[in-house]
Amino acid sequence: NAGVTQTPKFQVLKTGQSMTLQCAQDMNHEYMSWYRQDPGMGLRLIHYSVGAGITDQGEVPNGYNVSRSTTEDFPLRLLSAAPSQTSVYFCASRVGQFSGNTIYFGEGSWLTVV
Amino acid sequence: DAKTTQPTSMDCAEGRAANLPCNHSTISGNEYVYWYRQIHSQGPQYIIHGLKNNETNEMASLIITEDRKSSTLILPHATLRDTAVYYCIVRVNYGQNFVFGPGTRLSVLP
Repeated sequence: NAGVTQTPKFQVLKTGQSMTLQCAQDMNHEYMSWYRQDPGMGLRLIHYSVGAGITDQGEVPNGYNVSRSTTEDFPLRLLSAAPSQTSVYFCASRVGQFSGNTIYFGEGSWLTVV
Repeated sequence: DAKTTQPTSMDCAEGRAANLPCNHSTISGNEYVYWYRQIHSQGPQYIIHGLKNNETNEMASLIITEDRKSSTLILPHATLRDTAVYYCIVRVNYGQNFVFGPGTRLSVLP
């Protein structure tokens, strides 16, 4: 019963490096999203997807790219990491765009950009 | 989606009821009240949600005032493991995104 799985859990990047945070869910959920959480703050939505092949921007999309080639996977890409992207990243999924009251979250990915 | 206001932090003695308030004075008729919590270093976890009537499940009770402008999440017998940040969210049931504010940091004290 894996739910939402994120990798890696911890990562240190140098400024300007690129990387991809992986997210996979095994619940056949249509809707997936990425949030970031900075110290003492709530979660802010980066990007979301309502189904395979469909993505859209959230509240803080700058500096991040996403794609959704399959229902199960929703990777988040940092093309040129900046210290301002130091944060905890959470992937989440729920049943569908117009249904599903419960969001399921991954365990988080801690990213430090130096 | 309507905005919510929650206290920054609260304390509760272990074994006592924890009552977490949330104000949502601009809530619309079709917006639900959701509660999530985030235990340190983990992803947020769903607790309960409701529209008008009071709701209860195995984790908590949700009391919504008659005018729906505020609500209270009740943890009937708080334990140390209930120490977490609690988020009150108001949204339409078919809305796309959940908006998480700073929440209330609940500390359950031995």
